Amino acid sequence: AQTVTQSQPEMSVQEAETVTLSCTYDTSESDYYLFWYKQPPSRQMILVIRQEAYKQQNATENRFSVNFQKAAKSFSLKISDSQLGDAAMYFCASRHRSQGVRFGAGTRLTVKP
Amino acid sequence: GAGVSQSPSNKVTEKGKDVELRCDPISGHTALYWYRQSLGQGLEFLIYFQGNSAPDKSGLPSDRFSAERTGGSVSTLTIQRTQQEDSAVYLCASRIPGTGGPNEKLFFGSGTQLSVL
Repeated sequence: AQTVTQSQPEMSVQEAETVTLSCTYDTSESDYYLFWYKQPPSRQMILVIRQEAYKQQNATENRFSVNFQKAAKSFSLKISDSQLGDAAMYFCASRHRSQGVRFGAGTRLTVKP
Repeated sequence: GAGVSQSPSNKVTEKGKDVELRCDPISGHTALYWYRQSLGQGLEFLIYFQGNSAPDKSGLPSDRFSAERTGGSVSTLTIQRTQQEDSAVYLCASRIPGTGGPNEKLFFGSGTQLSVL
């Protein structure tokens, strides 16, 4: 079964600085999708960014970008110009054909003013 | 509906009782997922439905847990003989048909907070 590992339970960043959250995954398939979701204290899950495995180009969404290393099965999230509103739990996730979407254990991001 | 609806929003039960949690996905969403989230923890995958069938139910923690989906819409997660360790938020999510692009997004409900006393 697919697994997603986030090795950083907590991370901290100064406002306006850049932070990178790590994620690795395990799969034997070539066709899959990767995601980063954000969960603020409201508990509502918000999609931050997604990456199709067949695309070599790293996805970007405004201040959010990923470093997708397919051979290494690594999918890190970079947040640039961090803002106070970025403080939340961040979950890495993967979806494979005919399987449920699996999430990592999460990284709690604190943004210091 | 406009979003994924889960009911009840809160459920308090006594140990040993059975509970049913309901998820009403967005109309037309064929894929439906159940997750369990303990306080401060990640999302534990439980089961995935495509239509009325469950191609992946490998996350159900024990035979006390079961889920069904009828009419390709509403899903019910049933926990029999509840235990204190079942206390958690149970989240449901749905996804529109197809793959790739904007289809690749889960829409989450607000969850059911289950407390087993």
